[in-house]
Amino acid sequence: AQKITQTQPGMFVQEKEAVTLDCTYDTSDPSYGLFWYKQPSSGEMIFLIYQGSYDQQNATEGRYSLNFQKARKSANLVISASQLGDSAMYFCAMRENTGNQFYFGTGTSLTVIP
Amino acid sequence: DAGITQSPRHKVTETGTPVTLRCHQTENHRYMYWYRQDPGHGLRLIHYSYGVKDTDKGEVSDGYSVSRSKTEDFLLTLESATSSQTSVYFCATLGTGLNTIYFGEGSWLTVV
Repeated sequence: AQKITQTQPGMFVQEKEAVTLDCTYDTSDPSYGLFWYKQPSSGEMIFLIYQGSYDQQNATEGRYSLNFQKARKSANLVISASQLGDSAMYFCAMRENTGNQFYFGTGTSLTVIP
Repeated sequence: DAGITQSPRHKVTETGTPVTLRCHQTENHRYMYWYRQDPGHGLRLIHYSYGVKDTDKGEVSDGYSVSRSKTEDFLLTLESATSSQTSVYFCATLGTGLNTIYFGEGSWLTVV
């Protein structure tokens, strides 16, 4: 079974609008971490946001927030007020406490339209 | 920034030749990872290390081996390169707080 599932291969959003990128995960480990990374066309991996499995509040970092729904095993990324520079590939990832392995989803390509 | 450098950054090699990619980090992180990135597959874990001489296989380890003789270096070797190993390879380390994974800039490998 896939550890991380991103069901949206491509997304479009109008500049200045908000967009939600979906991510669901699968683990039996009670302790884990969830991450989002951005990969622009230049290829580098940029860390955006982190949510621990025991964190009570949703993580926020500037225009990024993580909508964490533990019972549904979802960790959606919300980008508010999209900018042209947000056009990139976005990856959801999970670290399981057991072994500290990291699993990545297949990514969502986001295009921001002027 | 965890001071991760990968070498070589770009390489073209012939089928059947051995190839070694090097990952060097300056932050003394314990955990290090090698991923490959292919269109439609995201990043897939090849091997990882949890300390000097301590390594384990990931989901796509066939055809790859690794070594970690020093904390700062993690080597990925393709014993006999095949065209299916044409990919972008990323090295990563896990930060001390376990809440950030840092990536190198990637190594583009083409096997012809």
